[in-house]
Amino acid sequence: KAGVTQTPRYLIKTRGQQVTLSCSPISGHRSVSWYQQTPGQGLQFLFEYFSETQRNKGNFPGRFSGRQFSNSRSEMNVSTLELGDSALYLCASSWTGESDYGYTFGSGTRLTVV
Amino acid sequence: AQTVTQSQPEMSVQEAETVTLSCTYDTSESNYYLFWYKQPPSRQMILVIRQEAYKQQNATENRFSVNFQKAAKSFSLKISDSQLGDTAMYFCAFMNPMEYGNKLVFGAGTILRVKS
Repeated sequence: KAGVTQTPRYLIKTRGQQVTLSCSPISGHRSVSWYQQTPGQGLQFLFEYFSETQRNKGNFPGRFSGRQFSNSRSEMNVSTLELGDSALYLCASSWTGESDYGYTFGSGTRLTVV
Repeated sequence: AQTVTQSQPEMSVQEAETVTLSCTYDTSESNYYLFWYKQPPSRQMILVIRQEAYKQQNATENRFSVNFQKAAKSFSLKISDSQLGDTAMYFCAFMNPMEYGNKLVFGAGTILRVKS
């Protein structure tokens, strides 16, 4: 069974640009969550999508947005990139998002902003 | 707001020995979930073990077990018979679905190095 797939694995962007990251959940999983991991702030929750609707949102500026498609694949977009957006972005999926089923994480996208 | 504290930034253990990683958390809720995740150099977060707060019995998964002390808000992870493959960053995480939805709150992590 395929795991959670995140693309691309690595990305280098310039300040002011925008970027889109992709996450394909495990087949049948309907909940997708996104996390940002940095050495200074650790792991922080960005948002969660379930059945194409944003169900929960973390404390990030509006430059960070996401969406989920009918096949449960999710994309995360960051506009007007800043140096501080350099991070590992992790996606996690689960059946319904309920903790009983657990979360499976992808290997992340390493974003570097220069 | 919920907080999760891991007081040991780094730990080392000899192969085949036992090591315990500490985690404390702060919440006013009585029903919640606790997790330990492992992140090896491959970057993928792997669920090691989970505990429901309403369950008195400590969770166990093969060589991994927890000591859940609800009153003390403590959730430590014990790794028995440590193996080289256990070398990784370990994160303690908290979830309170009723109040904050399905959002994991992570601690800062503990780097564990298993030495041969």
